[in-house]
Amino acid sequence: EVQLVESGGGLVQPGGSLRLSCAASGFTFSSYAMSWVRQAPGKGLEWVSAISGSGDSTFYADSVKGRFTISRDNSKNTLYLRMNGLRAEDTAVYYCAKAYCGGDCYSPGDWGQGTLVTVSS
Amino acid sequence: SYELTQPPSVSVSPGQTARITCSGDALPKKYVYWYQQKSGQAPVLVISEDSKRPSGIPERFSGSSSGTMATLTISGAQVEDEADYYCYSTDSSGNHRVFGGGTKLTVL
Repeated sequence: EVQLVESGGGLVQPGGSLRLSCAASGFTFSSYAMSWVRQAPGKGLEWVSAISGSGDSTFYADSVKGRFTISRDNSKNTLYLRMNGLRAEDTAVYYCAKAYCGGDCYSPGDWGQGTLVTVSS
Repeated sequence: SYELTQPPSVSVSPGQTARITCSGDALPKKYVYWYQQKSGQAPVLVISEDSKRPSGIPERFSGSSSGTMATLTISGAQVEDEADYYCYSTDSSGNHRVFGGGTKLTVL
C-alpha cells in the first residue's frame, strides 16, 4: 500500500523559510516522479513543483520559481520542498503526490494527507 | 500562463447524469486527469489519460476529450459523489502543470 506522510509545516513569519518532507513507502520510490501541490484555505488546487525519479529534472510553477527548491533522497525514500522568502499567499495545505505511472510521467496518482503552512506575523 | 477552465458548479438530482467540462488550448495534444476531493480530504484520482478509470473507481465515472474540451461524466450520480472535481493537464511544452479552478458538484 502506498503511503505518503508529509511533515514540516507550521507557522512562519513573512520572509522566513521552511523545509517540508514527505516520507514514502509501499513502492519503489526512485522509479516514480513526485510532485508538491498546495491548496490555500477555501481555494482550489495549485500545482507547485515536480521532480523526476532520478532527481535530475525539476519543474516549478511561476509563482514559486526562485524561492522554492524541490529535491529527493532516494536512499531515504523522502521528498523535500525547501521554501524561502515565504509570503502570506504561500499559506496553504501542501500535499505531496506520487506520479500515477512510472518513467516520464508526472501526473499525480496517490496523495498524502497534507501539511499546513501558515505565513503570518 | 496556461489555464484550464471549469464551471464553478454543477447540480444534479440523484440518479441523473452529471457532466463537468474542462477547456484548454493544449488539450488536443495533452492528456487530462480528473481528481475528486471531498470536504476535508486529500484528492483522489478518478480518471487518468482522458478516459482511463483507476482500479477501485466506480464504473459510473467516465472521461472523454475532444478538441480543446474534456468532460468528466458521472452516470447515475450518487449522493456520495458530492465533491469538488478538478481537471489537470500540462501546457504544450509539457513543462508547466496546471489544475483547473475546480467544479463543486451538488447531488440532491
